[in-house]
Amino acid sequence: GENVEQHPSTLSVQEGDSAVIKCTYSDSASNYFPWYKQELGKRPQLIIDIRSNVGEKKDQRIAVTLNKTAKHFSLHITETQPEDSAVYFCAASKVKTSYDKVIFGPGTSLSVIP
Amino acid sequence: NAGVTQTPKFQVLKTGQSMTLQCAQDMNHNSMYWYRQDPGMGLRLIYYSASEGTTDKGEVPNGYNVSRLNKREFSLRLESAAPSQTSVYFCASSDRGLYGYTFGSGTRLTVV
Repeated sequence: GENVEQHPSTLSVQEGDSAVIKCTYSDSASNYFPWYKQELGKRPQLIIDIRSNVGEKKDQRIAVTLNKTAKHFSLHITETQPEDSAVYFCAASKVKTSYDKVIFGPGTSLSVIP
Repeated sequence: NAGVTQTPKFQVLKTGQSMTLQCAQDMNHNSMYWYRQDPGMGLRLIYYSASEGTTDKGEVPNGYNVSRLNKREFSLRLESAAPSQTSVYFCASSDRGLYGYTFGSGTRLTVV
């Protein structure tokens, strides 16, 4: 089955710097790659996603890139702010007509130091 | 529009006791899921229901059972709780992955 690895497990950056989190997946048939942010004690929330027919997607200060050949994708956060501090999860799935089981990476704990 | 509602929020069980975690969504989503979250382990899929009337095992189904009662509701049952089932449980729903998952607020379960 699908396996998703994520690095680094922890990341500290100064406010205003950029942060990059990288993930790899094992199933070449995976075609949907969401990213979730989970603040302490809260539920995970979808922040951005990308499908296999595009290589990059941006939404204000966050962007995701996908390299299907290498089977890896990355989250980029620019101009980091203290409120970006959270655990970030990448995930991969095969969206079909019948179901869309998602496998998550182990998470990256991001700390933005003011 | 409440999204995904989970009950209870907190629960303490003794080893061997049983309980059911309830989940309901009001977004008319077809698919629903139960995950558990343990420190350093991320989110692991216990069971999922692709559509009303179907359920399938995920990565860690042992010790759990589920029921998709109708399109809105998906419950998770622990028949004989064990300390290894101490975790935070999240229910989620999606519309076939088109817009990602919407998660419930979680249930923090402790088994002593």
